[in-house]
Amino acid sequence: SAVISQKPSRDICQRGTSLTIQCQVDSQVTMMFWYRQQPGQSLTLIATANQGSEATYESGFVIDKFPISRPNLTFSTLTVSNMSPEDSSIYLCSETLGLGVFFGQGTRLTVV
Amino acid sequence: DAKTTQPTSMDCAEGRAANLPCNHSTISGNEYVYWYRQIHSQGPQYIIHGLKNNETNEMASLIITEDRKSSTLILPHATLRDTAVYYCIVRVVNSGGSNYKLTFGKGTLLTVNP
Repeated sequence: SAVISQKPSRDICQRGTSLTIQCQVDSQVTMMFWYRQQPGQSLTLIATANQGSEATYESGFVIDKFPISRPNLTFSTLTVSNMSPEDSSIYLCSETLGLGVFFGQGTRLTVV
Repeated sequence: DAKTTQPTSMDCAEGRAANLPCNHSTISGNEYVYWYRQIHSQGPQYIIHGLKNNETNEMASLIITEDRKSSTLILPHATLRDTAVYYCIVRVVNSGGSNYKLTFGKGTLLTVNP
């Protein structure tokens, strides 16, 4: 499996601000995914990030709120824009390598 | 929507085998069964996956019924550190990009008791 590093591991942010989360993979992967896990809930897919093309967003998620970059095959960022307390969640990136899908340790975001 | 059904919670005694069931009655021929677990506040950890044959690795065994409509994850000797939420997921695997995504259900909270 690839090693996935996420930064920051946690943050506390003021409402109305934006936070960019970085995801670095130690090998080249075709697809990367961003998930959100709200408190006490399961994981929900936000979008699929492919290198060289725009991200594909799931229903209920829009690019203006969660812009994603994928500049190369080992790196992606997710920005949580204009944050509100409802955005307090764990945000996770994952990658697919062959038949496997592996996850980072997540970014725990608290919006106050 | 998740295409699997799992019990909400299960208990297991330390040192005993933990058998976690999963129903996936609408599984398609090109869908694999994946199992992940999530220990509190950590990212999901891959456990095992299979298509139709039983699979075993250093963590667990996966038993898939012949009709592929259900499966069981077996942790042969559960320890306290195996306490986690276990997710059973079916996932299409082909060349299409969007089909690589994992859709999580609510999973089973396995509590291993001393």
